Amino acid sequence: DTGVSQDPRHKITKRGQNVTFRCDPISEHNRLYWYRQTLGQGPEFLTYFQNEAQLEKSRLLSDRFSAERPKGSFSTLEIQRTEQGDSAMYLCATELPGGEGETQYFGPGTRLLVL
Amino acid sequence: GQNIDQPTEMTATEGAIVQINCTYQTSGFNGLFWYQQHAGEAPTFLSYNVLDGLEEKGRFSSFLSRSKGYSYLLLKELQMKDSASYLCAVRWDTDKLIFGTGTRLQVFP
Repeated sequence: DTGVSQDPRHKITKRGQNVTFRCDPISEHNRLYWYRQTLGQGPEFLTYFQNEAQLEKSRLLSDRFSAERPKGSFSTLEIQRTEQGDSAMYLCATELPGGEGETQYFGPGTRLLVL
Repeated sequence: GQNIDQPTEMTATEGAIVQINCTYQTSGFNGLFWYQQHAGEAPTFLSYNVLDGLEEKGRFSSFLSRSKGYSYLLLKELQMKDSASYLCAVRWDTDKLIFGTGTRLQVFP
């Protein structure tokens, strides 16, 4: 257990529905990253925050995806009008800048299945 | 592009040594990480290299050559529980990590 928590751990939804995932970081970690991972692939970067500021968004992040970190602590990732191609593991990772290598520690992930 | 290459699959025998290689584009390089990922679980941090040389942590060691754009993860005294995917990830000029597709290691008795 890295101390990063994610909720829910599993989500099954029907195509067209909206879903929201939450990530709670290690308390002193002010950088928070979202990644998406599909079977047989490594995690792909989606977006990241430093405190409450969203600093970078991947081109993978379509208009249907939005992420927030309103108070610089927990973060949410929302997917609107889900599509079957959104089925994946959504991983949150947090980092303490200036720590060893600025290592990212991952939460357990939210596995999304869109029917 | 920011390409990372690592073998897709490897097999080894319990008690043996295995070396998993990773090559990457050198321009803008700012650190390399190895993660272990068991099926259905999140990646867990194994090692970090930013300078040339070998970093040893118990049964696991990681090596980096910056000029060659090359790293390897060395696993000694393999155990069945080491069966997992091993992800090579590189940080270039930004904060995010770019991951390879992972090397799936199967350890046989």
